Amino acid sequence: NAGVTQTPKFQVLKTGQSMTLQCAQDMNHNSMYWYRQDPGMGLRLIYYSASEGTTDKGEVPNGYNVSRLNKREFSLRLESAAPSQTSVYFCASNRQEGSYNEQFFGPGTRLTVL
Amino acid sequence: GNSVTQMEGPVTLSEEAFLTINCTYTATGYPSLFWYVQYPGEGLQLLLKATKADDKGSNKGFEATYRKETTSFHLEKGSVQVSDSAVYFCALSANNAGNMLTFGGGTRLMVKP
Repeated sequence: NAGVTQTPKFQVLKTGQSMTLQCAQDMNHNSMYWYRQDPGMGLRLIYYSASEGTTDKGEVPNGYNVSRLNKREFSLRLESAAPSQTSVYFCASNRQEGSYNEQFFGPGTRLTVL
Repeated sequence: GNSVTQMEGPVTLSEEAFLTINCTYTATGYPSLFWYVQYPGEGLQLLLKATKADDKGSNKGFEATYRKETTSFHLEKGSVQVSDSAVYFCALSANNAGNMLTFGGGTRLMVKP
């Protein structure tokens, strides 16, 4: 049981380049999330997917797109990277059993845009 | 909208000292409250949670009590260890359809031997 996995761990891009961050979970969770972490600002939600086939914008969606490929995988795409997107990106999935909710996080992708 | 405010760090303590990290929140309704911990180079892990007023969450010697009258969820530990050095995040879930979390800015704790 690997939990939530993310690739790559590190990436350096030039302004204007594109890339896709991959995320997968093996816990059969319905909901998945993409966050970015910036110093002093905690984690901010970019996009989420409440279930397979659905996606919704979070707090900071501009400049990003997502795909919920299947129940396991939720990818985040930067079409034209900008220096303001330099950040650490975390994927998470949510375990829900009745009223109990707990999010499980991946190890993160550290992205630098030059 | 929902928001979480926690004390800025870093907090530097000696081993076996008492720890308090303050957290206050603004939310409509009755949110669930969480503390997450992030060890260096890792993702976040749930440390403890509370789902209703006066609930006390506890784990690994840490505890926090959901205080609705003061909209607070302060994290405490009676005797910290070097291994507790990490970044701690307070968060809330306003029981929305997507179970989305709103995080505070994080507090870095450094424990010296």
